[in-house]
Amino acid sequence: EAGVVQSPRYKIIEKKQPVAFWCNPISGHNTLYWYLQNLGQGPELLIRYENEEAVDDSQLPKDRFSAERLKGVDSTLKIQPAELGDSAVYLCASSITTDTGELFFGEGSRLTVL
Amino acid sequence: SQKIEQNSEALNIQEGKTATLTCNYTNYSPAYLQWYRQDPGRGPVFLLLIRENEKEKRKERLKVTFDTTLKQSLFHITASQPADSATYLCALETGTASKLTFGTGTRLQVTL
Repeated sequence: EAGVVQSPRYKIIEKKQPVAFWCNPISGHNTLYWYLQNLGQGPELLIRYENEEAVDDSQLPKDRFSAERLKGVDSTLKIQPAELGDSAVYLCASSITTDTGELFFGEGSRLTVL
Repeated sequence: SQKIEQNSEALNIQEGKTATLTCNYTNYSPAYLQWYRQDPGRGPVFLLLIRENEKEKRKERLKVTFDTTLKQSLFHITASQPADSATYLCALETGTASKLTFGTGTRLQVTL
């Protein structure tokens, strides 16, 4: 069974440029998460979807970040314009909605903003 | 303020010994706690879950304890092997509908 698939794995852009990350969750997982992970830190939640609905986006910087999950499957996370401080790993995870919420993570997309 | 603390310094132990990692938290009342393993350049991988009404959970060489009075979880790896070298993250249920908040992680290095 395929795991969570993310692309691209690596992206280098100049500041003020836009960037987008794509995530394909495990089939049948209706909950999808985007996390940000800085070097030496734990993942920090940006947004969580239940099917198509964003149920927790309180930590998403909405002035420059946006996300969507059309048809309740794949998701994209966009940053426009990117800033130097956005350099980090962006992790996508999915889970079956249960009361314990074990997460399955993708390999992440490493963003470097120059 | 709410905090989840893991030892930021790396833990170095010899092969065959028991590694013990600590996760302390303040101002949370989690219904459960999870532990994940993360290798460099990879996403975290789920290891174990323990609920608030459970004192201890085991899986092969792994053992987790959960003390809601001390607000602490301990993660043990017995008979450590170099392949156990990784960063270990604790994650607490911290809100409605299974919201997970992660600690900063502790890097474990097992040497021969």
